[in-house]
Amino acid sequence: AQKITQTQPGMFVQEKEAVTLDCTYDTSDPSYGLFWYKQPSSGEMIFLIYQGSYDQQNATEGRYSLNFQKARKSANLVISASQLGDSAMYFCAMRDPAGAGSYQLTFGKGTKLSVIP
Amino acid sequence: GAVVSQHPSWVICKSGTSVKIECRSLDFQATTMFWYRQFPKQSLMLMATSNEGSKATYEQGVEKDKFLINHASLTLSTLTVTSAHPEDSSFYICSARSLAVSRAPDTQYFGPGTRLTVL
Repeated sequence: AQKITQTQPGMFVQEKEAVTLDCTYDTSDPSYGLFWYKQPSSGEMIFLIYQGSYDQQNATEGRYSLNFQKARKSANLVISASQLGDSAMYFCAMRDPAGAGSYQLTFGKGTKLSVIP
Repeated sequence: GAVVSQHPSWVICKSGTSVKIECRSLDFQATTMFWYRQFPKQSLMLMATSNEGSKATYEQGVEKDKFLINHASLTLSTLTVTSAHPEDSSFYICSARSLAVSRAPDTQYFGPGTRLTVL
């Protein structure tokens, strides 16, 4: 069974500083995908970044980057130059391997990030 | 691109009534849509996977007769909560899987959610 672990229930970061949100995963399948989503207080889930298990380089999307350490099964999200609007819940998720047919996502419990002015 | 809408955004209903929630992919086709339920301060719980033109696949513990899902087209899926009761009050959120091969294949794009309150 797939499992996603986010060990930080809450994090604080000073505005303009960088922050790392931890995510570890457990799967025996060689092919998988890892996602990070942001959920502000409004409730919508916003896709931030994706990392495929076979990707050679760490994914980056603007201020977001994913520190992918395959051997350690970790996929930490790094947010650079934090902004007040980054305050939200952040969820790490893993996609079922290709060929399974369902493409379901397994979500972690989330980390609440608060950016301090 | 990859916008998913959900309607209504919130609904209050009396116990025993049925509520229909619509999920639409506005600018892409989605063979697969997913319905989730989220309790306050908790993660998303997958309820069912909906494939266009076929019956939905429900997760263990989710009553298929209570949560009716219809996926009539490549851009529309509906969730009907039948005979709603106060314990059904929750935040319901749908997602759609993009068919397009992109830098982030098979990404799920989420709707804004529907907050259901059953009195």
